[in-house]
Amino acid sequence: GENVEQHPSTLSVQEGDSAVIKCTYSDSASNYFPWYKQELGKRPQLIIDIRSNVGEKKDQRIAVTLNKTAKHFSLHITETQPEDSAVYFCAGRDSSYKLIFGSGTRLLVRP
Amino acid sequence: SQTIHQWPATLVQPVGSPLSLECTVEGTSNPNLYWYRQAAGRGLQLLFYSVGIGQISSEVPQNLSASRPQDRQFILSSKKLLLSDSGFYLCAWSVRGLAGRFNEQFFGPGTRLTVL
Repeated sequence: GENVEQHPSTLSVQEGDSAVIKCTYSDSASNYFPWYKQELGKRPQLIIDIRSNVGEKKDQRIAVTLNKTAKHFSLHITETQPEDSAVYFCAGRDSSYKLIFGSGTRLLVRP
Repeated sequence: SQTIHQWPATLVQPVGSPLSLECTVEGTSNPNLYWYRQAAGRGLQLLFYSVGIGQISSEVPQNLSASRPQDRQFILSSKKLLLSDSGFYLCAWSVRGLAGRFNEQFFGPGTRLTVL
């Protein structure tokens, strides 16, 4: 089955700097990779996703890249702001109905 | 548009008591439904998922069970709660798109359960 590893577990950046979170997956059949942001006490919110037929996707300050050969994908946040502080989860989905989540990255953006 | 509801929002229960959490989805038909648990400061653990009425798959053997009595209703239950059942319980849904493509998965607001 699928296994998703995420790092770093915590990340602290200065406001305005970029943040990068990386994930690796094990199942080469995986074809869908979403990223979720979870603020304290709230539900995880889908912020961006990528399918296996593309290598990169951008949405304003957020981008995700996918390397199918190496089986890893990354979240890039540019010009970070204090409201970007949250826990971010990556996930992978294979041919089943399930998402397999990474362990999460706690991002702190220092003003 | 689609909406997912969960209740109650918070719950405090004694050890050994029963549990029933409910999740309903509006604005879609035949969704895939999921129950997750999140311990404090931890990741998302998939407990159950369902692809249709009466079809439940269990991911983690434990004292919890799930049922799907209606297309857009998903219930999580326990006959006797344990201290380790405390956590944030999240229901989620997704719809299979065209040509078998899997669409996005969305989470409900969650139920925060404390077992004392």
